[in-house]
Amino acid sequence: SQQGEEDPQALSIQEGENATMNCSYKTSINNLQWYRQNSGRGLVHLILIRSNEREKHSGRLRVTLDTSKKSSSLLITASRAADTASYFCATLAGGGSTLGRLYFGRGTQLTVWP
Amino acid sequence: NAGVTQTPKFQVLKTGQSMTLQCAQDMNHEYMSWYRQDPGMGLRLIHYSVGAGITDQGEVPNGYNVSRSTTEDFPLRLLSAAPSQTSVYFCASSPRGVGINTEAFFGQGTRLTVV
Repeated sequence: SQQGEEDPQALSIQEGENATMNCSYKTSINNLQWYRQNSGRGLVHLILIRSNEREKHSGRLRVTLDTSKKSSSLLITASRAADTASYFCATLAGGGSTLGRLYFGRGTQLTVWP
Repeated sequence: NAGVTQTPKFQVLKTGQSMTLQCAQDMNHEYMSWYRQDPGMGLRLIHYSVGAGITDQGEVPNGYNVSRSTTEDFPLRLLSAAPSQTSVYFCASSPRGVGINTEAFFGQGTRLTVV
């Protein structure tokens, strides 16, 4: 499977702290995306980083990508209780018959305590 | 725009029953897909479509059928429900087949229980 794997599975922090989640994947990719899922809801896209990019920012989010290590990290700075959710990385396959398939990891459950 | 709409939100089936999960999008997206989400398993791709009339299998297609007669609709059919199909099902769409710079838009999910 080309599924990404997030680490840690669960993360619990206080408001104001930074939260870092990691994602590893197995094969070549076109891009890597991070999604957020609030309890009982659908997934919402957060940020996309292309395979030729190394770092990307969006508000309090910072994503890095290391294609040589097949890994990515998502940093949420100055976390808030409202950031409590599950976070998933998803990889878009590099080509061939799997082009267009988006593969998800198992997710990191982030809890931010007030 | 409504985005991606899934119906029903909840469903209980008896083993052996069949049913169709509906998915509709109003964004004129070419690419649509169905995922199932199970505890500790993340999202797994069931079937996907890159345009009207074109469908293909994902990671876990057994027990499910799909068709894509229009750009807007992508129904998922359970032929003979089994308890192993108890899950939360998500439909997603994206423009131009989840291309280089596109994101997937998700519905709110259908929670299916097979007893």
